[in-house]
Amino acid sequence: AQSVTQLDSHVSVSEGTPVLLRCNYSSSYSPSLFWYVQHPNKGLQLLLKYTSAATLVKGINGFEAEFKKSETSFHLTKPSAHMSDAAEYFCVVSDQVDSWGKLQFGAGTQVVVTP
Amino acid sequence: NAGVTQTPKFRVLKTGQSMTLLCAQDMNHEYMYWYRQDPGMGLRLIHYSVGEGTTAKGEVPDGYNVSRLKKQNFLLGLESAAPSQTSVYFCASSYIGLARNEQFFGPGTRLTVL
Repeated sequence: AQSVTQLDSHVSVSEGTPVLLRCNYSSSYSPSLFWYVQHPNKGLQLLLKYTSAATLVKGINGFEAEFKKSETSFHLTKPSAHMSDAAEYFCVVSDQVDSWGKLQFGAGTQVVVTP
Repeated sequence: NAGVTQTPKFRVLKTGQSMTLLCAQDMNHEYMYWYRQDPGMGLRLIHYSVGEGTTAKGEVPDGYNVSRLKKQNFLLGLESAAPSQTSVYFCASSYIGLARNEQFFGPGTRLTVL
């Protein structure tokens, strides 16, 4: 069974300061992990994904995430927040054993960026 | 490439009415999915399809039916809408169903059932 917990439902940051979104997962097998972003009234866009290659994964728009198996975590970071980063972020896990790519979504973290 | 498109974007129904949501993809993807998004719950899988003519139940299938008559289209039907089905519905597709392949999402359909 797989599950994912996003530890913060809301995060507020000032423009230019670092962003940290925390995600813990549970998986019976070797997981794939994803971060998706959803801007207001838009669909979901893939930020980055981990699929058992390098543990530090770089994504679009300056985001990166580190897979830590010992901590079962996949936290998302960005060194300097931009106003356009205001959105909802979803951490997603998928067991590699599933042949049809079932995704388990976290509840989401709403990011607010203040000037 | 349009990617994944959804029709309609918005809809208001009365309890007991029926409707069909259409999802279309032009990426020649085998796998397609329907999700619903509710506040504080992330996305939950309703039904999915691993190829033309095949469908299967996801996490929350009750009250919904689906069909995949053509590879590029995946229809979601509500036979008798209920207020509990008020939600935002997202369609997604992927090239093959392996976990490492990302899913591509449509822009969503916002449905309100009165």
